[in-house]
Amino acid sequence: DIQLTQSPSFLSASVGDRVTITCRASQGISSFLAWYQQKPGKAPNLLIYGASSLQSGVPSRFSGSGSGTEFTLTISSLQPEDFATYYCQQLNSFPRTFGQGTKVEI
Amino acid sequence: QVQLQESGPGLVKPSQTLSLTCTVSGGSVISGGHYYSWVRQHPGKGLEWIGYIYYSGSVDFNPSLKSRVAISVDTSKNQFSLNLRSVTAADTAIYYCARENIVGPTHSVRFDCWGQGTLVIVSS
Repeated sequence: DIQLTQSPSFLSASVGDRVTITCRASQGISSFLAWYQQKPGKAPNLLIYGASSLQSGVPSRFSGSGSGTEFTLTISSLQPEDFATYYCQQLNSFPRTFGQGTKVEI
Repeated sequence: QVQLQESGPGLVKPSQTLSLTCTVSGGSVISGGHYYSWVRQHPGKGLEWIGYIYYSGSVDFNPSLKSRVAISVDTSKNQFSLNLRSVTAADTAIYYCARENIVGPTHSVRFDCWGQGTLVIVSS
């Protein structure tokens, strides 16, 4: 199985901050990586796929980059509604696996 | 717009079988281009992929659960289902159904539609 390690696991930030979350894969996954946002009591919501493609309807302050084994999710200016947990997921191979999550809190 | 909705018992006794159904609306499971998956989330924990089914019936499962899992599709009802046998308290989780979009440019594979999730508690 491909392991995904996110860092940090917790992130304290303020509205307006630039936030970066890293996801490292245990082996190369090309650009088969997606990012999801999950709020309490809700299902995950797709933000980024193909490592850097913005899902339709997602604000442009979200961006993704990377390939191979190292990826980043950046929120250019944190908004109140962005406080949530973020997960990366690899879709290079089965079983699909997720990172452990990064909780972004005030 | 495609919507997914999970249904099934919220309480299952240990050693029994957990059975959930996901109803797809606004789209067809036989339209192709999508895997239909189950994902679970233990309380307060991360996401675990359980497995998927394609409308043709092809499946794949997480090796950690493979011996206990079955996923089936009912194209006439536009539904797919999860059966997890011999459950224990460790199977208590929120279970999500999700659609994996496998069409489009290379690398564009993604889980683009999720059900709201259903909490299943395993307890006697």
